[in-house]
Amino acid sequence: DVVLTQSPATLSVTPGERISLSCRASESVDTYLHWYQQKPNESPRLLIKYASQSISGIPSRFSGSGSGTDFTLSINGVELEDLSIYYCQQGNSLPTFGAGTKLELK
Amino acid sequence: EVQLQQSGAELVKPGASVKLSCKTSGYTFSNYYMSWLKQMPGQNIEWIGNIYGGNGGTGYNQKFKGKATLTVDKSSSTAYMDLSSLTSEDSAVYFCARQGSWGNWFAYWGQGTLVTVSS
Repeated sequence: DVVLTQSPATLSVTPGERISLSCRASESVDTYLHWYQQKPNESPRLLIKYASQSISGIPSRFSGSGSGTDFTLSINGVELEDLSIYYCQQGNSLPTFGAGTKLELK
Repeated sequence: EVQLQQSGAELVKPGASVKLSCKTSGYTFSNYYMSWLKQMPGQNIEWIGNIYGGNGGTGYNQKFKGKATLTVDKSSSTAYMDLSSLTSEDSAVYFCARQGSWGNWFAYWGQGTLVTVSS
């Protein structure tokens, strides 16, 4: 199975800051890499599909980039409502998820 | 509006089985794959398998073969997952998630069903 390694595990942020979250795959997944946000006691929400494609209804401050094994989710101007756990997921083969990056308030 | 409504929390005894449901609305059920996923408390998300709403064709993560059985009822646009021979390792939140038009990504999610295995 493809292993996805997310870093950092936890990121302390200040509202308004631009941040980047990393997801690295153990083998190439082309652009079959998707990002989700999960708040406590909620189900995950799709943010970005195919590495960089935006999703209707998701704020434009969220963007994704990368291909192959290295991917980045960026938030341009973090807001308090963005404090959540972010997961990457690959769909190039049997779907697997990273362990997540938790955004917390600095 | 696409909606996935999952059945309520379950408390089951070790060795027993449980059947979870995921009732859908707002889209053509037979045109999409439905996946089931497992999330243990504070832990990662695992993909269990998927089922095609049109013909009931299934694909499973090898880890969950023999543990999970996926079925659908097209007449009610509902997906089901049977979990058998339950142990404490099966205590988790289980999500159903409708896949995108093509590919293994999860566009819409149910609210999750908490399964607790305890005597």
